[in-house]
Amino acid sequence: NAGVTQTPKFQVLKTGQSMTLQCAQDMNHEYMSWYRQDPGMGLRLIHYSVGAGITDQGEVPNGYNVSRSTTEDFPLRLLSAAPSQTSVYFCASSYNRLRGGYEQYFGPGTRLTVT
Amino acid sequence: QKEVEQDPGPLSVPEGAIVSLNCTYSNSAFQYFMWYRQYSRKGPELLMYTYSSGNKEDGRFTAQVDKSSKYISLFIRDSQPSDSATYLCAIPRVLTGNQFYFGTGTSLTVIP
Repeated sequence: NAGVTQTPKFQVLKTGQSMTLQCAQDMNHEYMSWYRQDPGMGLRLIHYSVGAGITDQGEVPNGYNVSRSTTEDFPLRLLSAAPSQTSVYFCASSYNRLRGGYEQYFGPGTRLTVT
Repeated sequence: QKEVEQDPGPLSVPEGAIVSLNCTYSNSAFQYFMWYRQYSRKGPELLMYTYSSGNKEDGRFTAQVDKSSKYISLFIRDSQPSDSATYLCAIPRVLTGNQFYFGTGTSLTVIP
């Protein structure tokens, strides 16, 4: 299993540009999430999905869109990039353990700089 | 009060030392507790998963939960330079367990 994969690894955008961060998982996990990680602020949830066709907002959703047409893929779209969106973005997938609780696995991250 | 709080460190120890990493949490209904390790410029990787109170051991790592104090700890015995990383505690939310509260992470450096 490749686990959770993300592309690109690095990206530089100019203010106002749009782009899509790709995320895929091959573990057949029901749940997927996007986080951003900033120094001193930890991981903050942007959007999440509980299954194909179902998405919802996390704590910092403004400026981002998501969709989930398949179990495997969960792209994150930046509509009009702003310097405040400079961050490291992590995609994660999770599943409900038979023994109870959830386990979550992360991708390697996309390092985004907006100038 | 934040749901999960973690000492940010940084923590610097000599090789071979015992390391103690800690988090506190606010909701007594939390039942599952996780520790992630994140190397520089990498994604977090799941290290330990514990349920309720008590200890869980995996090699040099021991995760401990004290529900009476709402305190969770990760102990690393015989620490190695390869343990140098940021360690994050994580707790699944009670009603929507597929979402998680994260600590801000403790940066650990093990000096050879």
